[in-house]
Amino acid sequence: KAGVTQTPRYLIKTRGQQVTLSCSPISGHRSVSWYQQTPGQGLQFLFEYFSETQRNKGNFPGRFSGRQFSNSRSEMNVSTLELGDSALYLCASSLRTSNYGYTFGSGTRLTVV
Amino acid sequence: AQSVTQLDSQVPVFEEAPVELRCNYSSSVSVYLFWYVQYPNQGLQLLLKYLSGSTLVKGINGFEAEFNKSQTSFHLRKPSVHISDTAEYFCAVRSNNNDMRFGAGTRLTVKP
Repeated sequence: KAGVTQTPRYLIKTRGQQVTLSCSPISGHRSVSWYQQTPGQGLQFLFEYFSETQRNKGNFPGRFSGRQFSNSRSEMNVSTLELGDSALYLCASSLRTSNYGYTFGSGTRLTVV
Repeated sequence: AQSVTQLDSQVPVFEEAPVELRCNYSSSVSVYLFWYVQYPNQGLQLLLKYLSGSTLVKGINGFEAEFNKSQTSFHLRKPSVHISDTAEYFCAVRSNNNDMRFGAGTRLTVKP
């Protein structure tokens, strides 16, 4: 069974631009969460979606948004990029709830220059 | 609100020695506890989880963890480490349909 797939793996963007990251969960998984990982702040929660509904949201500015489609695939968007948005963005999926643990993708490494 | 503290940012050990990575959590309600491992340039992999029942949980790669409710701890142990165990280890907690919170991570370095 295929794992969690994140595309692209690497991305370089310029300050002020916007970016969209994609995540395809494991087949049958309906819950998708996103995390930002940086050396200074560690793993910080962005959003959690279940059946196209946002279930939880982290403490990030409105420039960060996400959505989930009917096939459980998810996207996150960051507008007006800042240098501090450079990070590894990780997507994780689970059947219904993360109570049983997540399966993570390999991440998208975003560099803002 | 729930939170996780990993007490050691770095743990160096020699190959075949035992290791313990410490994790304390805070939550006012019942929790689900997890340990994940991250190798360079990869996502996180679930090592083990505590949901309920026996307080000693066994995971993959010979790791185990013990849930101690009175100490609010969930320490990870391995009796004999290998070079290949060198990685970053994260403790995580989830409760009450809140998001899963991660600790800052412990970098385990196994030396020959």
